[in-house]
Amino acid sequence: ETGVTQSPTHLIKTRGQQVTLRCSSQSGHNTVSWYQQALGQGPQFIFQYYREEENGRGNFPPRFSGLQFPNYSSELNVNALELDDSALYLCASTPDSPSGANVLTFGAGSRLTVL
Amino acid sequence: KQEVTQIPAALSVPEGENLVLNCSFTDSAIYNLQWFRQDPGKGLTSLLLIQSSQREQTSGRLNASLDKSSGRSTLYIAASQPGDSATYLCAVNTGTASKLTFGTGTRLQVTL
Repeated sequence: ETGVTQSPTHLIKTRGQQVTLRCSSQSGHNTVSWYQQALGQGPQFIFQYYREEENGRGNFPPRFSGLQFPNYSSELNVNALELDDSALYLCASTPDSPSGANVLTFGAGSRLTVL
Repeated sequence: KQEVTQIPAALSVPEGENLVLNCSFTDSAIYNLQWFRQDPGKGLTSLLLIQSSQREQTSGRLNASLDKSSGRSTLYIAASQPGDSATYLCAVNTGTASKLTFGTGTRLQVTL
C-alpha cells in the first residue's frame, strides 16, 4: 500500500473529552511524526515515533500522547480537550532512520473541532 | 529557536506570470529545506527538497534556491497556471529527527 492514510477525516468533540486519531503509513516507513495545524498557520511538530518509541517531542503538553504499532499504524491521543485543540492534525512518515533527512509523506489530515 | 518567515502572506497573479515566493529562517544550521503545497483543507504535498549542501533544485516549472548563510530560500514558479493556486509552505529541518519548522505559508491565487 502506498501513501499515508488518516482517520477520521473530520470529527467534533466537546471540551474535556478525549480523542484518538489514527494513521496508517507505508510499509517500511519506520518513522512517523504528528503535526498540529491551526487555521491559517503552518504545521507545528507534536512528536515523532521510531520503531514504536517516542523519539522527539515538540512544545506540547503530556495530554498529547501517541502510539506506534509494528504494522506501520499509529495513533495520536489527546486528553482533556480544549477549544484551542481545534486544528488539522497531520501524520507524516519517512522510510529511514530517526535522524535521516528524507522527504516526509503527509496524510490528508484529521480535522478536529472542539466545542 | 528556529523561526521561519514567508513573504508575501498572499499573492494574486494573472495566468502566465512568473513569480517568486520568499522564505527566511533565523538559524542557518539546517539539514535541509523543503517546499510544500497545500490545497484547502488538505494535507501537504512535497514539491522540492534542498539539502544544506545544495544551492538549488528544479522540478518542471518549479525552481527552489537556498542561501544557507543568509538564511533565505526562494521558490520560483514559471508560467503560472490556475492549477497552481494553493498555499505554499516552506519548512526547515535542523536534523532533529523529522521535526520540521514551518513558515505560515504564502496563499497563491492564479487568475484567468
